[in-house]
Amino acid sequence: GENVEQHPSTLSVQEGDSAVIKCTYSDSASNYFPWYKQELGKRPQLIIDIRSNVGEKKDQRIAVTLNKTAKHFSLHITETQPEDSAVYFCAANPNDYKLSFGAGTTVTVRA
Amino acid sequence: EAQVTQNPRYLITVTGKKLTVTCSQNMNHEYMSWYRQDPGLGLRQIYYSMNVEVTDKGDVPEGYKVSRKEKRNFPLILESPSPNQTSLYFCASSRSTRTQETQYFGPGTRLLVL
Repeated sequence: GENVEQHPSTLSVQEGDSAVIKCTYSDSASNYFPWYKQELGKRPQLIIDIRSNVGEKKDQRIAVTLNKTAKHFSLHITETQPEDSAVYFCAANPNDYKLSFGAGTTVTVRA
Repeated sequence: EAQVTQNPRYLITVTGKKLTVTCSQNMNHEYMSWYRQDPGLGLRQIYYSMNVEVTDKGDVPEGYKVSRKEKRNFPLILESPSPNQTSLYFCASSRSTRTQETQYFGPGTRLLVL
């Protein structure tokens, strides 16, 4: 099955700095890579996703890059703010019906 | 309001006592799925359903059952709960039958099996 590895497990950044989270996947059939954000005590919510026919996607301060050859994708958050503090999960789909998540990255933005 | 609901939100039970966690969505979504969240392991998929009467196993299906008799409901059944099923459970749904769509998560059910 698909194995998604996510690093780092925790990340502390100064407000205004950038944060980068990296994920690797094992199944070359994966073609959809979403990122979910989970605030403390809340449900996961999609923040951005990328499909295999695209190398990069940006939405305001958030961007995701995908390298299919190397089987890795990354989340970039620029100009971090306190409300960016949360757990972030990457995921990949080994087929059309399953979704495998990484273990999560706890991001803390220091004021 | 478009939403995914789960009940109960919190549950303490004992080993072997059958329980059901309900999940309902009002968005006419085709796809529904159950996940469990454990520290250090992220979200792991238990079962999913592409449509009414169509279900399949995720990565960690052992000890769980599901059914999809109606489009809006997707209950998770633990026939004989064990302590290793203590976890935070999330139900999710998406518009398409496939995973390449936004999944909308329910509020979660925190289960403790003694």
